[in-house]
Amino acid sequence: KAGVTQTPRYLIKTRGQQVTLSCSPISGHRSVSWYQQTPGQGLQFLFEYFSETQRNKGNFPGRFSGRQFSNSRSEMNVSTLELGDSALYLCASSRDVETQYFGPGTRLLVL
Amino acid sequence: DAKTTQPTSMDCAEGRAANLPCNHSTISGNEYVYWYRQIHSQGPQYIIHGLKNNETNEMASLIITEDRKSSTLILPHATLRDTAVYYCVHNAGNNRKLIWGLGTSLAVNP
Repeated sequence: KAGVTQTPRYLIKTRGQQVTLSCSPISGHRSVSWYQQTPGQGLQFLFEYFSETQRNKGNFPGRFSGRQFSNSRSEMNVSTLELGDSALYLCASSRDVETQYFGPGTRLLVL
Repeated sequence: DAKTTQPTSMDCAEGRAANLPCNHSTISGNEYVYWYRQIHSQGPQYIIHGLKNNETNEMASLIITEDRKSSTLILPHATLRDTAVYYCVHNAGNNRKLIWGLGTSLAVNP
């Protein structure tokens, strides 16, 4: 079974721009969670989608948003990028929210 | 929020057992403890999970104390490829949200 895929793998943007990241979950998985990982903060939960609905949300500003499509693929968007948004963005899919299977991540650098 | 406490770093000799502790004193009765690991620059990888009983799979063993306030992940014969950051997590109450700490950086030495 194919694993979780994320595109793009690497991205460089400048402050003020917006970015969209994509995640394709494992076939049959309906839950997709997004995390931001930075060296000092570890993995921080952004949001979780299940059957096209946001089921959980972390403590991030409204600049961070996401959506899920009917095929369970998910996208997250960050608008008005700031330097502090530079991070590894991880997507995880699961049948249930706890046993999560992670993709390789998208490394975003904001200049 | 649910909180776990783990040592920042540990060392282990190749071929020896690696025992990674975790305190999760805020865990509720129906919350599972999950262990993941992250090898440098990759996404976290699921290892094992448990509720009350000890668990074993092809990767590791999980020992959970009777009061469920702590657990230990055991890698029985550590190899160099087990060098990674190991995370102990559980969900934050009824909202099904996993809270991740900074984990334990395990270095397996030759």
